[in-house]
Amino acid sequence: ELKVEQNPLFLSMQEGKNYTIYCNYSTTSDRLYWYRQDPGKSLESLFVLLSNGAVKQEGRLMASLDTKARLSTLHITAAVHDLSATYFCAVDILGGAQKLVFGQGTRLTINP
Amino acid sequence: DAGVTQSPTHLIKTRGQQVTLRCSPKSGHDTVSWYQQALGQGPQFIFQYYEEEERQRGNFPDRFSGHQFPNYSSELNVNALLLGDSALYLCASSLGSNGELFFGEGSRLTVL
Repeated sequence: ELKVEQNPLFLSMQEGKNYTIYCNYSTTSDRLYWYRQDPGKSLESLFVLLSNGAVKQEGRLMASLDTKARLSTLHITAAVHDLSATYFCAVDILGGAQKLVFGQGTRLTINP
Repeated sequence: DAGVTQSPTHLIKTRGQQVTLRCSPKSGHDTVSWYQQALGQGPQFIFQYYEEEERQRGNFPDRFSGHQFPNYSSELNVNALLLGDSALYLCASSLGSNGELFFGEGSRLTVL
């Protein structure tokens, strides 16, 4: 059974700081997603990583994928309050059939 | 262009009752997936519909069933509700199995 583990699960940081969220998964997959969820809201797609070594950046967020290590990272640069949310990684266990297995989520709070 | 729409947004049921949740996919999309998100957890895959057939299924009991209509909209039915079925139910749509997933706002079900 595929397991997806995120750490940390809770993260409180100050504006202007950098930090990284880690996503480990237990079986082979070359398709990984990052989503953002605000309280009471749905999931917003941030990144789709489709191959080993893939790196994508949008604003202050950068995601990478290492399929050999079964590890993805979401790096936050110079955090701002608006990035406060819960972040999920998800692995497609059928390589494109979109049967996603999600991590537990990382609740990020950015303080002024 | 309307995105994925779900109804109802909130509902309360009692144990043993049955519930039907509805989803209209994003315009042009033909594949619908359903996820259950318990409070504080990541979403869990329930099943996926394409061409009016269930194509993939997660680890959920037969009490959970679904349907896809010719216009690609979908329903999720849950029979014999349990307290543990209380969750946010998310619908996601895509064009084919490789298309980007778009999530709806969800239907929040409370079972008393």
